[in-house]
Amino acid sequence: QVTLKESGPVLVKPTETLTLTCTVSGFSLSNTEMGVSWIRQPPGKALEWLAHIFWNDDISYSASLRSRLTISKDTSKSQVVLTMTNMDPVDTATYYCARIWYGGNRYNWFDPWGQGTLVTVSS
Amino acid sequence: SSELTQDPAVSVALRQTVRITCQGDSLRSYYASWYQQKPGQAPVLVIYGKNNRPSGIPDRFSGSTSGNTAYLTIAGAQAEDEADYYCNSRDSSGNHLIFGGGTKLTVL
Repeated sequence: QVTLKESGPVLVKPTETLTLTCTVSGFSLSNTEMGVSWIRQPPGKALEWLAHIFWNDDISYSASLRSRLTISKDTSKSQVVLTMTNMDPVDTATYYCARIWYGGNRYNWFDPWGQGTLVTVSS
Repeated sequence: SSELTQDPAVSVALRQTVRITCQGDSLRSYYASWYQQKPGQAPVLVIYGKNNRPSGIPDRFSGSTSGNTAYLTIAGAQAEDEADYYCNSRDSSGNHLIFGGGTKLTVL
């Protein structure tokens, strides 16, 4: 059974750096054609893709958040870490990690997703 | 463009067929995937690629694309299909992923 679980602080202060960890089980971060992606959802709003890292260390970031994001993986620990700098109250959201599949040149998909972790940015 | 546009809300009578749309220029080059999200839950993949259903997703869910529009069709909607539905694809550059704004489906 494949599972992903997010962990990290529930509350961060403005200007602080957020560090989230996604621990996966049931597959390896070295498995070809897959990787881990981070996606967030502010309360009552739509999903927003943030970043992903594939088995071959191919990395991509949201164009609008690229300067604030860093994603990395530790295959031996089955963990993917996302850091987001200079947090602001508008970054309050549920942060999900999900396994991303590489479907070749024409598509990707996310399956399964973690349960998500709510991060609140407030002083 | 870097946008996927969805109707905010759609309703369907029980056991009728509904089509949820997702528009964007990048859909001319890239397939969409579709996710169902019920309140308080994580999204669940329902359709990916040309028209692929993950194991466990009922066959009343199907996907298609025409031009710059992707469609999620639910044939014979059930009460348990009431949820938010999001489309996802790559942007026109192919380097980034984007989500639509979501469609709230009400089953009457």
